Amino acid sequence: NAGVMQNPRHLVRRRGQEARLRCSPMKGHSHVYWYRQLPEEGLKFMVYLQKENIIDESGMPKERFSAEFPKEGPSILRIQQVVRGDSAAYFCASSPQGQGNTEAFFGQGTRLTVV
Amino acid sequence: DAKTTQPTSMDCAEGRAANLPCNHSTISGNEYVYWYRQIHSQGPQYIIHGLKNNETNEMASLIITEDRKSSTLILPHATLRDTAVYYCIVRANQAGTALIFGKGTTLSVSS
Repeated sequence: NAGVMQNPRHLVRRRGQEARLRCSPMKGHSHVYWYRQLPEEGLKFMVYLQKENIIDESGMPKERFSAEFPKEGPSILRIQQVVRGDSAAYFCASSPQGQGNTEAFFGQGTRLTVV
Repeated sequence: DAKTTQPTSMDCAEGRAANLPCNHSTISGNEYVYWYRQIHSQGPQYIIHGLKNNETNEMASLIITEDRKSSTLILPHATLRDTAVYYCIVRANQAGTALIFGKGTTLSVSS
């Protein structure tokens, strides 16, 4: 059973371009979580999705950021018109359920660099 | 905001037990205690979780006090590869709850 797969592992974008980060959850997992980690800082929760639904987006910046988890295919975190401050590691996690008694497993992250 | 308090850093000698404390004095009856670690900017790794009973797996043991206001993660024989940031998290047992990370404890294992 493959783990959580994120791609690309490294992404370089020029200011103003769009960044698309993909996350394929573990088999059988229908809950996906996205986190951002700025250099030398902790993990910040961004958004929690279930198939075709956004459950909690309280950590998402109000502009330029969006996330989806379609019925088929990976979850996508999309950042429009990237700025240097978006440079960070973005981690995705998945779990079979969204409740407290089920552990979530993380991918290895996508390192976004905005130049 | 994280509902836990952990020491910023700890040191441990290789081969000795590492005991990482965590305070969660406001924990609710339906909240689980989770431990994750992050090794040098890799993806966080699940270690263990529990509600009120002590738990043990191949990686570690989790000791939760009777009043559930604190817990200790025990790595019985620390190795250099256990050097990481360790996060203690409380998470409600209800639908729609995410893991919220605090600052964690940086554990340094040295030979």
